[in-house]
Amino acid sequence: SQTIHQWPATLVQPVGSPLSLECTVEGTSNPNLYWYRQAAGRGLQLLFYSVGIGQISSEVPQNLSASRPQDRQFILSSKKLLLSDSGFYLCAWSVNPQNEQFFGPGTRLTVL
Amino acid sequence: GQNIDQPTEMTATEGAIVQINCTYQTSGFNGLFWYQQHAGEAPTFLSYNVLDGLEEKGRFSSFLSRSKGYSYLLLKELQMKDSASYLCAVINSNYQLIWGAGTKLIIKP
Repeated sequence: SQTIHQWPATLVQPVGSPLSLECTVEGTSNPNLYWYRQAAGRGLQLLFYSVGIGQISSEVPQNLSASRPQDRQFILSSKKLLLSDSGFYLCAWSVNPQNEQFFGPGTRLTVL
Repeated sequence: GQNIDQPTEMTATEGAIVQINCTYQTSGFNGLFWYQQHAGEAPTFLSYNVLDGLEEKGRFSSFLSRSKGYSYLLLKELQMKDSASYLCAVINSNYQLIWGAGTKLIIKP
């Protein structure tokens, strides 16, 4: 069966510090991968998606970036965090864009 | 533009039935999903509709009318553990997944 991991589960970072969140998927090959952010009490905002190694599409221009160094690894980064980067970050995967997405447990980021 | 509308919040009683509506305006349609999200947790997949009609899965059913741009999620025999947010999402013609803001369902004893 397929599983998706994210770490860390929670993170508190000062403004201006760097960020690296990691997501890995097991039990499938060539998944479509997604990074979402969810502000408190709000819906999901798609940040990045990837259909293959090194292929990243950005949905929202901001101070975040994503990379996919391996087939089942997806990394979300920032060089300098802003207060507005606080939120619940979710990684997801799907077989194809038209299939259901399965979510990792999420990382709760607080920028102070 | 593209948007999905859901009620922000609903309240229902344990043991009762509740219907959560979702209307959508998207550039094309390739399917509609319902997800459940408990507070502080990740969303989990509930159902998928691509053809008109009702899909039943245990206590949960989902209905779709493509001509009306409308779907609903029906929850029967409500349990306290059903207290959660329910997210509606539509795949458009470009295979982009458009998310609604979610409906927070509060179950009272």
